[in-house]
Parts: sequence; structure tokens; C-alpha cells
Amino acid sequence: AQSVAQPEDQVNVAEGNPLTVKCTYSVSGNPYLFWYVQYPNRGLQFLLKYITGDNLVKGSYGFEAEFNKSQTSFHLKKPSALVSDSALYFCAVRDSNRDDKIIFGKGTRLHILP
Amino acid sequence: SAVISQKPSRDICQRGTSLTIQCQVDSQVTMMFWYRQQPGQSLTLIATANQGSEATYESGFVIDKFPISRPNLTFSTLTVSNMSPEDSSIYLCSVDSTSGSYNEQFFGPGTRLTVL
Repeated sequence: AQSVAQPEDQVNVAEGNPLTVKCTYSVSGNPYLFWYVQYPNRGLQFLLKYITGDNLVKGSYGFEAEFNKSQTSFHLKKPSALVSDSALYFCAVRDSNRDDKIIFGKGTRLHILP
Repeated sequence: SAVISQKPSRDICQRGTSLTIQCQVDSQVTMMFWYRQQPGQSLTLIATANQGSEATYESGFVIDKFPISRPNLTFSTLTVSNMSPEDSSIYLCSVDSTSGSYNEQFFGPGTRLTVL
């Protein structure tokens, strides 16, 4: 089955510093990868996706993600973190073995320190 | 993007009772999904709500516990039956974006359920 792994439960970054939230994937065939963010007491918001094409994908709120086929990674990045970026981040993949349903990683809690 | 609303936004229920959660979308969509997010956990797909036919449940979820209705292309309900404290979770409704099967899903704001 297709899956994604988020190796870090929590990431702490000082405000203004670059941030990276890690995600690795395991898929057969073409990977369809996503990042979502969940702010406290709110639903999930879509940030960005990789379907095909350019390996650097730009998304909402200044976030971007780099698709790396050789390392099977899809890390989320932002050049300069804001305190308001503090939230729970989920990496996800479409599972072609399960009727293309979206499967989520366990999530990484990002804390931006003022 | 689709705008999704859920009712109620939160509820506190007694053990043994049932709660029905409503999901309304502002446009017609083919695929609607129900997820559960237990405290501190990721999202787990409960079922796909099919319009005009029975819902398709994921492994570990059954119709008797989580009956689902999908009367039209903009509305669905999920009932959590005979609740126990283990059912305390956030329940989220989701739809596929209308632009293709390999694109993103949109999520409602969730229903936070606490079972005492």
C-alpha cells in the first residue's frame, strides 16, 4: 500500500528562520503528494500538491515543497517562519491501491518561537 | 474550491446515545468522505458516502456503528451510534475537488465530539 511517513512529531523553529517539515513516501507508480495544515480548532486546509512536472511546488501562505524522487521525499519548506505558522501539518498521498483515496501521515506539530 | 459546513460544530454526549452530524457542500460533488481524528492522532477514513447507494466502509468501521446517508450531491450525514468514550474524536467531512481525481480534497471545519 502507498504510505507517507513524517519522522518528526514536533519541530521548533525561531521566528524569521527557515523551516522544514519532513515527509517521505512509499508508492508504486506515480506519486500524488499533498500537504495540509490544521490550525487549532479548525479543519484541514490544503497547502500544496505535487502531481507531475516541476519538482519545486509553491503553495499557500508562502510555503513550498520539494519533490525528490531519488530520496523519496516531499519536504515542506518556508524561507522565513512566522509565529502564525504554528499548527499541525499533514503530508498525504493518493493511494492507487485503495481507489485513489487520500492517506495521511501522522502529522508534525510546528512551533514557531517568537 | 468547495465550501463545506458541518453541524454541530461540537457536542458533549452521554454514553449509549447517538449523534448525527450533517455535512453541506456549496456545490454538487461526486465523492464525499467521512474521517475521524482521535485526540493527538492523524486522520482515519471511515467511509465514502455514495449518492444513491450504500456507503463504502473502510476496514474496522461498520454500518451499524456509523450509518451514513447521502440523499443528494450536496449533503451527507454521519451518525455515531451507541456512543462510548472511545468515540470522542473530531469527525470531518471531505470532498474531492471538482478538477480531477488526482487533485486535493477539501475539508469541513469538523465536529468535535466528547462522550462522557
